[in-house]
Amino acid sequence: GAVVSQHPSRVICKSGTSVKIECRSLDFQATTMFWYRQFPKQSLMLMATSNEGSKATYEQGVEKDKFLINHASLTLSTLTVTSAHPEDSSFYICSARALWNEQFFGPGTRLTVL
Amino acid sequence: AQSVSQHNHHVILSEAASLELGCNYSYGGTVNLFWYVQYPGQHLQLLLKYFSGDPLVKGIKGFEAEFIKSKFSFNLRKPSVQWSDTAEYFCAVNAGRDDKIIFGKGTRLHILP
Repeated sequence: GAVVSQHPSRVICKSGTSVKIECRSLDFQATTMFWYRQFPKQSLMLMATSNEGSKATYEQGVEKDKFLINHASLTLSTLTVTSAHPEDSSFYICSARALWNEQFFGPGTRLTVL
Repeated sequence: AQSVSQHNHHVILSEAASLELGCNYSYGGTVNLFWYVQYPGQHLQLLLKYFSGDPLVKGIKGFEAEFIKSKFSFNLRKPSVQWSDTAEYFCAVNAGRDDKIIFGKGTRLHILP
């Protein structure tokens, strides 16, 4: 089946630094990828939709300057959390939409900001 | 805007009991509906989906769900649960041409051995 990977799986950083998370579709092309955030024991909240070759579409309340998204190719999207603060600590999950319209989820990246 | 509500936040059952998890969505047009499962420490997996056709959808691991359009519901069922079904279950909706999948808050299922 289609596989989506995320790197890193865990990251710990100091407050004020930036962190980049990669999302890759390993065996299929994805013109659209999605970034979600999941707080402990809560649901996935959609942050933004990432389209290859164009600007991401952010959900209401998500700061586009803080969460930079780049979808440089049909198999890679990156999320950069800029000037991270402890409240940004969360589980970030990406998904990739295949050409046959099914979405596949990555394993997630746990970000801890000290 | 689309929304999804799951009625049960935490369900505890004994093995072999029957399961039904409620899910309702709000959207007036054509929808695609999903149930995802997240086992402890693992990532989301698709249990089943409804795009069109037979409203009774069968998924993996003995799960099924029924789409009732008049009730805006897509409840998940399993006749006899196992300890290994302990997980969090998310109902999700994707409306019409919209690519976005919107998730419910999830139901934490705990099966007693």
